[in-house]
Amino acid sequence: AQSVTQLDSQVPVFEEAPVELRCNYSSSVSVYLFWYVQYPNQGLQLLLKYLSGSTLVKGINGFEAEFNKSQTSFHLRKPSVHISDTAEYFCAVPNNAGNMLTFGGGTRLMVKP
Amino acid sequence: NAGVMQNPRHLVRRRGQEARLRCSPMKGHSHVYWYRQLPEEGLKFMVYLQKENIIDESGMPKERFSAEFPKEGPSILRIQQVVRGDSAAYFCASSPPWGFETQYFGPGTRLLVL
Repeated sequence: AQSVTQLDSQVPVFEEAPVELRCNYSSSVSVYLFWYVQYPNQGLQLLLKYLSGSTLVKGINGFEAEFNKSQTSFHLRKPSVHISDTAEYFCAVPNNAGNMLTFGGGTRLMVKP
Repeated sequence: NAGVMQNPRHLVRRRGQEARLRCSPMKGHSHVYWYRQLPEEGLKFMVYLQKENIIDESGMPKERFSAEFPKEGPSILRIQQVVRGDSAAYFCASSPPWGFETQYFGPGTRLLVL
């Protein structure tokens, strides 16, 4: 069975500082990986996804993530955050059949001025 | 191309009443998924449907919950005899038949049971 661990429940950071949100997964089959962002009282928006190919994936809003098979990680990074990046970020992996996503517990990014 | 639509956005019910949540997938999408997000938690899969078929309901509570995706019209998640523990945000997602691994989410319905 797939599982996803987001080690940090909250990450406070100052505006314009870099940030890394950590995600580790376990999967016994080919891996697809996703990062979603949830702004307060809104639905989930797809930030980026890894399906195959280059291990460095670029997404929207200046975010990128790197797939590391040996470390079973898919950490999300941004070199300089904005106040508007304050949100909850979820890492997710589909099951073998691709018909459900297993989500991590989420990381709340809090950007301070 | 409109995104995934859910209504109502907010729903208040008293204990014992029925809650009916609707989801219209993106145009061209034939796969619908329902997830529940309890307060301060991540999303948990409930059910996966295609038109007129329930494909996987392994995440659905055994009682009071049901889902359908008819040939015409939106997908419906129905909760009978709601209890306070059903208070949560319910999200619908959809995907196209050719790229089922990428799911696009709606804004959610926030259910409050008094």
